[in-house]
Amino acid sequence: EVQLVQSGAEVKKPGESLKISCKGSGYTFNIYWIAWVRQMPGKGLEWMGIIYPGDSETRYSPTFQGQVTISVDKSISTAYLQWSSLKASDTAMYYCARLSGSSLDYWGQGTLVTVSS
Amino acid sequence: DIQMTQSPSTLSASVGDRVTITCRASQSSSTWLAWYQQKPGKAPKLLIYDASSLKSGVPSRFSGSGSGTEFTLTISSLQPDDFATYFCQQYNSYYGTFGQGTKLEIK
Repeated sequence: EVQLVQSGAEVKKPGESLKISCKGSGYTFNIYWIAWVRQMPGKGLEWMGIIYPGDSETRYSPTFQGQVTISVDKSISTAYLQWSSLKASDTAMYYCARLSGSSLDYWGQGTLVTVSS
Repeated sequence: DIQMTQSPSTLSASVGDRVTITCRASQSSSTWLAWYQQKPGKAPKLLIYDASSLKSGVPSRFSGSGSGTEFTLTISSLQPDDFATYFCQQYNSYYGTFGQGTKLEIK
Protein backbone atom coordinates (compact mmCIF):
# COMPACT_ATOMS: atom_id res chain seq x y z
CA GLU A 1 0.00 0.00 0.00
CA VAL A 2 1.39 3.38 -1.01
CA GLN A 3 1.70 5.70 1.97
CA LEU A 4 3.12 9.16 2.55
CA VAL A 5 3.44 9.96 6.25
CA GLN A 6 4.21 13.53 7.24
CA SER A 7 5.74 14.92 10.42
CA GLY A 8 3.56 16.45 13.10
CA ALA A 9 2.15 19.92 13.60
CA GLU A 10 4.55 22.74 14.39
CA VAL A 11 4.16 26.03 16.23
CA LYS A 12 6.96 28.50 15.58
CA LYS A 13 7.78 32.16 16.05
CA PRO A 14 8.52 34.56 13.19
CA GLY A 15 12.15 34.40 12.16
CA GLU A 16 12.64 30.80 13.27
CA SER A 17 13.69 28.01 10.92
CA LEU A 18 11.75 24.82 10.26
CA LYS A 19 12.08 21.56 8.34
CA ILE A 20 9.11 19.24 7.88
CA SER A 21 9.24 15.75 6.44
CA CYS A 22 7.34 13.29 4.27
CA LYS A 23 8.23 9.58 4.36
CA GLY A 24 7.16 7.33 1.52
CA SER A 25 6.54 3.61 1.70
CA GLY A 26 4.87 0.85 -0.28
CA TYR A 27 6.45 1.79 -3.62
CA THR A 28 9.84 2.49 -5.23
CA PHE A 29 10.46 5.90 -3.70
CA ASN A 30 13.35 6.89 -5.98
CA ILE A 31 11.42 6.88 -9.27
CA TYR A 32 8.47 9.17 -8.49
CA TRP A 33 8.63 12.94 -8.07
CA ILE A 34 7.36 14.23 -4.72
CA ALA A 35 5.38 17.48 -4.70
CA TRP A 36 4.72 19.94 -1.90
CA VAL A 37 1.39 21.80 -1.83
CA ARG A 38 0.35 24.68 0.44
CA GLN A 39 -3.16 25.35 1.66
CA MET A 40 -3.59 28.53 3.66
CA PRO A 41 -6.51 28.66 6.12
CA GLY A 42 -9.82 28.58 4.26
CA LYS A 43 -8.09 28.86 0.88
CA GLY A 44 -7.27 26.74 -2.16
CA LEU A 45 -4.33 24.58 -3.09
CA GLU A 46 -0.99 26.04 -4.24
CA TRP A 47 1.75 24.02 -5.95
CA MET A 48 5.08 24.80 -4.33
CA GLY A 49 7.55 22.54 -6.09
CA ILE A 50 8.69 19.01 -6.82
CA ILE A 51 11.77 16.90 -6.24
CA TYR A 52 12.98 13.72 -7.92
CA PRO A 53 14.50 11.45 -5.27
CA GLY A 54 16.64 9.57 -7.78
CA ASP A 55 18.91 12.55 -8.48
CA SER A 56 17.50 15.33 -6.22
CA GLU A 57 16.48 17.47 -9.22
CA THR A 58 14.16 20.16 -7.89
CA ARG A 59 11.68 22.39 -9.69
CA TYR A 60 9.95 25.28 -7.93
CA SER A 61 6.80 27.18 -8.81
CA PRO A 62 7.79 30.82 -9.45
CA THR A 63 5.81 31.96 -6.39
CA PHE A 64 7.89 29.80 -4.07
CA GLN A 65 11.34 30.01 -5.71
CA GLY A 66 13.74 31.39 -3.09
CA GLN A 67 11.12 31.21 -0.32
CA VAL A 68 11.54 27.55 0.66
CA THR A 69 13.95 24.69 0.08
CA ILE A 70 12.88 21.21 -0.97
CA SER A 71 15.30 18.36 -0.35
CA VAL A 72 15.34 14.58 -0.11
CA ASP A 73 17.20 11.75 1.61
CA LYS A 74 16.56 8.76 -0.61
CA SER A 75 18.34 6.42 1.79
CA ILE A 76 15.40 6.80 4.17
CA SER A 77 12.70 7.52 1.53
CA THR A 78 12.01 10.95 2.97
CA ALA A 79 11.42 14.34 1.37
CA TYR A 80 11.69 17.63 3.22
CA LEU A 81 10.37 21.18 3.03
CA GLN A 82 12.26 23.83 4.92
CA TRP A 83 12.23 27.50 5.75
CA SER A 84 15.19 29.54 7.00
CA SER A 85 13.14 32.39 8.44
CA LEU A 86 9.42 31.88 8.94
CA LYS A 87 6.82 34.62 8.56
CA ALA A 88 3.28 34.77 9.90
CA SER A 89 2.08 34.39 6.30
CA ASP A 90 3.67 30.90 6.20
CA THR A 91 0.88 29.69 8.50
CA ALA A 92 -0.81 26.94 6.49
CA MET A 93 -1.36 23.24 6.01
CA TYR A 94 1.39 21.69 3.92
CA TYR A 95 0.84 18.48 1.98
CA CYS A 96 3.29 16.23 0.20
CA ALA A 97 2.02 14.10 -2.66
CA ARG A 98 3.37 11.62 -5.19
CA LEU A 99 3.45 12.83 -8.80
CA SER A 100 2.45 10.11 -11.24
CA GLY A 101 2.48 11.32 -14.82
CA SER A 102 0.86 14.74 -14.47
CA SER A 103 -1.32 14.17 -11.40
CA LEU A 104 -0.86 13.72 -7.64
CA ASP A 105 -2.12 10.23 -6.96
CA TYR A 106 -1.25 9.75 -3.28
CA TRP A 107 -1.15 12.42 -0.58
CA GLY A 108 0.26 12.71 2.90
CA GLN A 109 -2.05 13.58 5.78
CA GLY A 110 -0.74 17.15 5.95
CA THR A 111 1.45 19.10 8.39
CA LEU A 112 -0.05 22.19 10.01
CA VAL A 113 2.50 24.96 10.47
CA THR A 114 1.50 27.86 12.71
CA VAL A 115 3.74 30.91 12.90
CA SER A 116 2.83 33.33 15.64
CA SER A 117 4.62 35.61 18.05
CA ASP B 1 2.22 30.88 -16.09
CA ILE B 2 -0.86 28.86 -16.94
CA GLN B 3 -3.84 30.14 -14.94
CA MET B 4 -6.71 27.78 -14.18
CA THR B 5 -10.19 29.22 -13.70
CA GLN B 6 -12.96 27.06 -12.28
CA SER B 7 -16.65 27.79 -12.47
CA PRO B 8 -18.82 28.04 -10.60
CA SER B 9 -17.08 28.85 -7.30
CA THR B 10 -20.07 27.49 -5.39
CA LEU B 11 -22.71 25.07 -6.58
CA SER B 12 -25.88 24.16 -4.69
CA ALA B 13 -27.44 20.87 -5.71
CA SER B 14 -29.58 18.01 -4.41
CA VAL B 15 -28.96 14.30 -4.04
CA GLY B 16 -29.60 12.66 -7.39
CA ASP B 17 -28.77 15.76 -9.46
CA ARG B 18 -26.34 15.75 -12.36
CA VAL B 19 -23.72 18.46 -11.94
CA THR B 20 -20.91 19.80 -14.07
CA ILE B 21 -17.88 21.84 -13.02
CA THR B 22 -15.78 23.62 -15.64
CA CYS B 23 -12.07 24.42 -15.61
CA ARG B 24 -10.52 26.74 -18.19
CA ALA B 25 -6.79 27.09 -18.77
CA SER B 26 -5.22 30.36 -19.90
CA GLN B 27 -3.23 28.40 -22.47
CA SER B 28 -3.39 24.85 -23.79
CA SER B 29 -2.81 22.18 -21.20
CA SER B 30 -3.14 19.30 -23.70
CA THR B 31 -4.85 16.57 -21.64
CA TRP B 32 -2.64 16.98 -18.58
CA LEU B 33 -5.56 17.84 -16.34
CA ALA B 34 -6.56 16.26 -13.05
CA TRP B 35 -9.53 16.64 -10.70
CA TYR B 36 -9.44 16.28 -6.92
CA GLN B 37 -12.04 16.09 -4.16
CA GLN B 38 -11.32 17.57 -0.75
CA LYS B 39 -13.42 17.30 2.39
CA PRO B 40 -12.93 19.58 5.42
CA GLY B 41 -9.85 18.69 7.44
CA LYS B 42 -8.72 16.04 4.95
CA ALA B 43 -6.10 15.79 2.25
CA PRO B 44 -7.32 16.02 -1.35
CA LYS B 45 -8.07 12.79 -3.23
CA LEU B 46 -7.41 12.22 -6.92
CA LEU B 47 -10.57 11.45 -8.90
CA ILE B 48 -9.66 11.94 -12.58
CA TYR B 49 -6.27 12.09 -14.32
CA ASP B 50 -5.27 12.84 -17.90
CA ALA B 51 -8.57 14.72 -18.28
CA SER B 52 -10.81 11.65 -18.55
CA SER B 53 -9.23 8.63 -16.82
CA LEU B 54 -10.94 7.51 -13.63
CA LYS B 55 -8.61 6.60 -10.78
CA SER B 56 -9.08 3.02 -9.60
CA GLY B 57 -11.65 2.81 -6.82
CA VAL B 58 -13.41 6.08 -7.71
CA PRO B 59 -17.15 5.61 -8.37
CA SER B 60 -18.16 5.59 -12.02
CA ARG B 61 -20.63 8.45 -11.47
CA PHE B 62 -17.56 10.72 -11.75
CA SER B 63 -16.35 11.49 -15.26
CA GLY B 64 -14.04 13.99 -16.91
CA SER B 65 -13.75 15.36 -20.41
CA GLY B 66 -12.04 18.05 -22.43
CA SER B 67 -8.72 18.98 -23.92
CA GLY B 68 -6.69 22.06 -24.72
CA THR B 69 -8.12 24.86 -22.62
CA GLU B 70 -11.56 23.66 -21.49
CA PHE B 71 -12.27 20.72 -19.20
CA THR B 72 -15.28 19.46 -17.28
CA LEU B 73 -15.94 17.23 -14.29
CA THR B 74 -19.40 15.66 -14.24
CA ILE B 75 -21.08 13.82 -11.40
CA SER B 76 -23.97 11.91 -12.95
CA SER B 77 -26.11 11.41 -9.82
CA LEU B 78 -25.02 13.19 -6.67
CA GLN B 79 -24.65 11.12 -3.52
CA PRO B 80 -24.48 12.48 0.03
CA ASP B 81 -20.76 11.68 0.18
CA ASP B 82 -20.06 13.93 -2.83
CA PHE B 83 -20.65 17.23 -1.08
CA ALA B 84 -17.13 18.59 -0.90
CA THR B 85 -14.76 21.01 -2.65
CA TYR B 86 -13.36 20.10 -6.06
CA PHE B 87 -10.12 21.35 -7.62
CA CYS B 88 -8.71 21.03 -11.11
CA GLN B 89 -4.95 20.98 -11.69
CA GLN B 90 -2.73 21.22 -14.76
CA TYR B 91 0.96 20.31 -15.07
CA ASN B 92 3.34 21.78 -17.63
CA SER B 93 6.21 19.33 -16.93
CA TYR B 94 7.90 21.91 -14.68
CA TYR B 95 5.24 22.88 -12.16
CA GLY B 96 1.53 22.59 -11.69
CA THR B 97 -1.30 25.03 -11.10
CA PHE B 98 -4.61 24.47 -9.33
CA GLY B 99 -7.95 26.05 -10.00
CA GLN B 100 -9.43 28.07 -7.13
CA GLY B 101 -11.90 25.35 -6.21
CA THR B 102 -15.65 24.69 -6.48
CA LYS B 103 -17.59 24.10 -3.28
CA LEU B 104 -20.48 21.72 -3.85
CA GLU B 105 -23.18 22.36 -1.26
CA ILE B 106 -26.44 20.66 -0.42
CA LYS B 107 -29.45 22.62 -1.67
